[in-house]
Amino acid sequence: DTGVSQDPRHKITKRGQNVTFRCDPISEHNRLYWYRQTLGQGPEFLTYFQNEAQLEKSRLLSDRFSAERPKGSFSTLEIQRTEQGDSAMYLCASGNRGSTEAFFGQGTRLTVV
Amino acid sequence: KQEVTQIPAALSVPEGENLVLNCSFTDSAIYNLQWFRQDPGKGLTSLLLIQSSQREQTSGRLNASLDKSSGRSTLYIAASQPGDSATYLCAVLFTGNQFYFGTGTSLTVIP
Repeated sequence: DTGVSQDPRHKITKRGQNVTFRCDPISEHNRLYWYRQTLGQGPEFLTYFQNEAQLEKSRLLSDRFSAERPKGSFSTLEIQRTEQGDSAMYLCASGNRGSTEAFFGQGTRLTVV
Repeated sequence: KQEVTQIPAALSVPEGENLVLNCSFTDSAIYNLQWFRQDPGKGLTSLLLIQSSQREQTSGRLNASLDKSSGRSTLYIAASQPGDSATYLCAVLFTGNQFYFGTGTSLTVIP
């Protein structure tokens, strides 16, 4: 296993379009996180899954954002009606049961034009 | 409000120097603190994890310490190398499930 995998690595989209990102966590990790990072800032929490249950959502996750983890393995993050302010790096992380350590993927860089 | 602060925002040192990066947090009730490295345009690489019951962790040339009572952690890098140039992020797990990140320290090691 090579770690947390995110796809695509880069996405350029026009304002108003919908985009979907995928995250494959480390095998058998039951915890999964989504974070957003803008230039020069630290990552900001978006949402947290334990297995397939979405247990926590940030106020940053507006109604245009939705995340799923249907089978407790991979996760998707969808942004509807994208805005220029959505341009950021979207990071996914996973963690194993019994540990609080988080392992991050390489991120998806979104540019909304 | 739970906040994490990193000082300095940027640091430039000559190769071979030992250096210390600082992280402070507002609430002493933490589960753990994790130090990450981030290269430009890339994701985060975990460097060290310190549990709340621990005082320090070491990995190679890196040593991280934790003082919960004062709300501080330091990352010590010995004998710095140009390859250490990156942004270093501190993340704190308070109660709940989300990590709170500082804004990072951008390190440049000059050959």
